[in-house]
Amino acid sequence: QQQVKQSPQSLIVQKGGISIINCAYENTAFDYFPWYQQFPGKGPALLIAIRPDVSEKKEGRFTISFNKSAKQFSLHIMDSQPGDSATYFCAALNDYKLSFGAGTTVTVRA
Amino acid sequence: KAGVTQTPRYLIKTRGQQVTLSCSPISGHRSVSWYQQTPGQGLQFLFEYFSETQRNKGNFPGRFSGRQFSNSRSEMNVSTLELGDSALYLCASSLSTGQQNEKLFFGSGTQLSVL
Repeated sequence: QQQVKQSPQSLIVQKGGISIINCAYENTAFDYFPWYQQFPGKGPALLIAIRPDVSEKKEGRFTISFNKSAKQFSLHIMDSQPGDSATYFCAALNDYKLSFGAGTTVTVRA
Repeated sequence: KAGVTQTPRYLIKTRGQQVTLSCSPISGHRSVSWYQQTPGQGLQFLFEYFSETQRNKGNFPGRFSGRQFSNSRSEMNVSTLELGDSALYLCASSLSTGQQNEKLFFGSGTQLSVL
């Protein structure tokens, strides 16, 4: 059973547009929420992460919004670039174990 | 600083064989985790080690085992391989300061194909 639900499965955005990926969880024991970016043939690379006591975190063009009461969090990619075309995974950590969402394939059209 | 190194990069085995995969964490990292990635099941947690002790284990059969050495390097072993074991096996390391195991850094993985 997927402990972290991620949507959409895929999205296409124009260069310069905003990509938004959403995740939801049930287990309130999760205490760290990272996002990973994965290119074909590579392992996931840590993009940005947030703790549940923070509602928003921004690093460059990437922003995480976190809603603890709704048990939801999202990734916003601003000014999307062709190089951002990749698969993005949300995750949640508890007891040394990461539970991953199913992934979102983002395609940025030039 | 070198990243997480996994060897071999590709592996082809037949059903019933066993396989050992190796992982060298980032220098100074004491926690090593293993994940299985497949198109159907996504990323699934296998186990996590810290200072040679397994701290958590995922829902995989006993054919999947691992260990960590005193230099933090880790190996995972899969015995009696099945077709469904074909996957990308990813190793991740972290500093694991205090009670947290945050900021996991992944290697490029070992692509295992079982024929």
